[in-house]
Amino acid sequence: EVQLVESGGGLVQPGGSLRLSCEASGFTFSNSHMTWVRQAAGRRLEWVANINSDGSDQYSVDSVKGRFTVSRDNAKNSLYLQMNTLTAEDTAVYYCAKDPRVLPIWGQGTVVTVSS
Amino acid sequence: DVVMTQSPLSLSVTLGQPASISCRSSQSLVFSDGNTYLNWFQQKPGQSPRRLIYMVSNRDSGVPDRFSGSGSGTDFTLKISRVEAEDVGVYYCMQGSHWPPTFGGGTKVEIK
Repeated sequence: EVQLVESGGGLVQPGGSLRLSCEASGFTFSNSHMTWVRQAAGRRLEWVANINSDGSDQYSVDSVKGRFTVSRDNAKNSLYLQMNTLTAEDTAVYYCAKDPRVLPIWGQGTVVTVSS
Repeated sequence: DVVMTQSPLSLSVTLGQPASISCRSSQSLVFSDGNTYLNWFQQKPGQSPRRLIYMVSNRDSGVPDRFSGSGSGTDFTLKISRVEAEDVGVYYCMQGSHWPPTFGGGTKVEIK
């Protein structure tokens, strides 16, 4: 079964950090471009960051540039999102997904809440 | 960024009746490879989005054939031929032709 499982979300204070993980199974992870998408309450889905199959290229939305870093470990079939200097605007459900142009597979999401 | 505009914001449909959702993009979604990366997703309460249609009109495996996608360029439509109770949720269009990928604001479908 093709599956993505996120973890690492939680409550963090403004200015804090979190590292999200996404474990993949059921498909050849090392051949897949991967992406993070977030959904804040009452707002539309927002693409956050993208990484190519071997990890050599990463892209992120302007609002997280310099604060968020996407990475991967193909040996562990895992995708990561290191989030630093978090603000209330980063509060959302974070999803990992496969193939950013078509997004066929999504994880169940992990909740990030930034609040004091 | 490409702006994706969906209409209507919400739709109240009688069971068995058709429904149609429009999605317009601020730029043509024809990519340099000739493909149009316009996708449709369904999100039920408490669940992650599920892709229904990819590249305008291709239905995903397991998606009922009452769902269909059409359109070209900047103008796209998702149709449900006969709405069933299980179709309740929010529907999003999304473009992957231009960087960054962007989503429409969503259309909430409910049963009248």
